[in-house]
Amino acid sequence: GESVGLHLPTLSVQEGDNSIINCAYSNSASDYFIWYKQESGKGPQFIIDIRSNMDKRQGQRVTVLLNKTVKHLSLQIAATQPGDSAVYFCAENTGTASKLTFGTGTRLQVTL
Amino acid sequence: EAEVAQSPRYKITEKSQAVAFWCDPISGHATLYWYRQILGQGPELLVQFQDESVVDDSQLPKDRFSAERLKGVDSTLKIQPAELGDSAMYLCATRTGGSTSYNEQFFGPGTRLTVL
Repeated sequence: GESVGLHLPTLSVQEGDNSIINCAYSNSASDYFIWYKQESGKGPQFIIDIRSNMDKRQGQRVTVLLNKTVKHLSLQIAATQPGDSAVYFCAENTGTASKLTFGTGTRLQVTL
Repeated sequence: EAEVAQSPRYKITEKSQAVAFWCDPISGHATLYWYRQILGQGPELLVQFQDESVVDDSQLPKDRFSAERLKGVDSTLKIQPAELGDSAMYLCATRTGGSTSYNEQFFGPGTRLTVL
């Protein structure tokens, strides 16, 4: 079936460096994508979203890039901080029922 | 800041027992979702409500799971009987708008279920 996946299960980054977390999706009909951050023992927290009619969107220290040609999504975090340590999930919305399909997640570890 | 509330936060039960989880959405959020998240994996949708109506329960194991949202506000997810494989985090999420609007889901803190 259709699925969302991540290339790297664990990413280790030094504090202050930029982080890039990647996600591949397989459903070309997906029209909305979200990145969530999940800290241990907590529910996912919204970071940023992007619609399929865009290829880039920026937030505070975060940028999401969407490449529909290769069905690839990335999350860039500038000047990574210890508080950014968490598991990051991409999720895609397909169809009209606003149903999200989540990938398996990437753990971001920020080293000092 | 308004949040999705869930209770209990932790639940330990023996297999074959019944368990129930409760979710109180952010005020005004018409759409409510229950997810199951196995450790190390992404959340998987169990059931979706629009107000009091079920929109999608195709992934809900209906032989043992049930969900209701009688007044279109808070919701309860029940498992009876619980099995060892049900051990997971159960997450509730809510959002504003109808099925065709583009906006994020807000998640509660989850209920961590352990079945012994």
